[in-house]
Amino acid sequence: ETAVFQTPNYHVTQVGNEVSFNCKQTLGHDTMYWYKQDSKKLLKIMFSYNNKQLIVNETVPRRFSPQSSDKAHLNLRIKSVEPEDSAVYLCASSPQDTQYFGPGTRLLVL
Amino acid sequence: GQQVQQSPASLVLQEGENAELQCNFSTSLNSMQWFYQRPGGSLVSLFYNPSGTKHSGRLTSTTVIKERRSSLHISSSQTTDSGTYLCALESSNNRIFFGDGTQLVVKP
Repeated sequence: ETAVFQTPNYHVTQVGNEVSFNCKQTLGHDTMYWYKQDSKKLLKIMFSYNNKQLIVNETVPRRFSPQSSDKAHLNLRIKSVEPEDSAVYLCASSPQDTQYFGPGTRLLVL
Repeated sequence: GQQVQQSPASLVLQEGENAELQCNFSTSLNSMQWFYQRPGGSLVSLFYNPSGTKHSGRLTSTTVIKERRSSLHISSSQTTDSGTYLCALESSNNRIFFGDGTQLVVKP
């Protein structure tokens, strides 16, 4: 049973809309991550949060922003989606070593 | 340049054959992790292996820091092993780099 929860599972939207993806982990981990996985299954890290502090911020477009209310939650907001944002977005958490992934949110931008 | 090079990109096996997947890295290593992803499924951690050899059932992971490589060995492959295998490196400055993955197909 997964302990990293993501909603929604799927989201279809149009160019220019705003979307928000939720992630919650019940493992008590200090660090959470957001990854983007493209159609070729390539994984790129987008953000990393440790105790609500952004510690790694890869060069992602400014329309992407992470939002955290506490160390168990890390949401991802995309202000104005573009077609190239279509992908699977994976959330993960980690105590210090092994990363545990959520099931992912599949985004399709029309 | 790419920090982690994973090979092969794809592999087709007959059930019962063994497989050896490789990741070579060019940056300093803090940790190496191997993941499995079933088609359409989420990522499952197989090994956290910063150095040395670890075993889990039919799987063996070996990381040799001096040689800047990590391998995943699958023995007696089964059709249920089909999927994508990914390695991920955490560098000494806490950055994470994923390999491009190996697409494994095991035929009955």
